[in-house]
Amino acid sequence: DAGVIQSPRHEVTEMGQEVTLRCKPISGHNSLFWYRQTMMRGLELLIYFNNNVPIDDSGMPEDRFSAKMPNASFSTLKIQPSEPRDSAVYFCASRTSGGATGELFFGEGSRLTVL
Amino acid sequence: QQQVKQSPQSLIVQKGGIPIINCAYENTAFDYFPWYQQFPGKGPALLIAIRPDVSEKKEGRFTISFNKSAKQFSLHIMDSQPGDSATYFCAASIPNAGGTSYGKLTFGQGTILTVHP
Repeated sequence: DAGVIQSPRHEVTEMGQEVTLRCKPISGHNSLFWYRQTMMRGLELLIYFNNNVPIDDSGMPEDRFSAKMPNASFSTLKIQPSEPRDSAVYFCASRTSGGATGELFFGEGSRLTVL
Repeated sequence: QQQVKQSPQSLIVQKGGIPIINCAYENTAFDYFPWYQQFPGKGPALLIAIRPDVSEKKEGRFTISFNKSAKQFSLHIMDSQPGDSATYFCAASIPNAGGTSYGKLTFGQGTILTVHP
C-alpha cells in the first residue's frame, strides 16, 4: 500500500510568492494533520481535519496560511505571501481516528526554502 | 496545558548502552502517549505507545515507563545499536469530543540520539 504522499519534496521560492503544498493521505484514513518542523520549534501542529472538516486550526501561524481538504483523498496547505521565516519542513500525516491504535502515518515531508 | 516537555535535547551513548529519554506533561486529559522515531530526510514513524492504565510497556528493545501521578513517561532503549541513531519524539493526545476516538497529537521537542559503534 502506498503511504502518505506529499508534493513537492523540495520547494525554493522567493519572498512574496505563493506556495502550495499537497498531500494524499492513506486510503481509508479519515484524519489528516499538517505539521511544520524546524530546529527551533520542533514539530508544530498547524491544523487537523476529521472527515474532511477542520477540527483545530489554532496552530496556523497567521492569515497567510490556509489549508483545505476538498475530499477524503487530497489536502493542500497554502502560504500566501511566503516569508523567509516560513522556511521549514512541512509534514502531512494521516490516521484512522477510531482505529485500534492512534498511529499517525507521516509522509516524507516538503522542504520549503523561502529566500 | 497542551505542552509536552522532553529532555535531553541530545544524547550520545556507546553501542550496548541504555539511553533514557524523558517527557513530562501537565494536561491530565492526555490519554495516549506514543514515541516516534525519525531518521534524516524521513517523516517520523511510530515506535511504541502506551495508555495511562499501565505503568510499563515493552516491545523488543524499547520500553516505555509511565508514572501517572508524576505525569511523566520515559523511553528506554536496551542494548542500543548504531542503527538506533535517530531523533526521538514523545507525544501525547487527548480524545476527540465524546472520548471515542484519537484526537490532536502534541509532540515534545525531540531528542537527537547518537549511538557510537
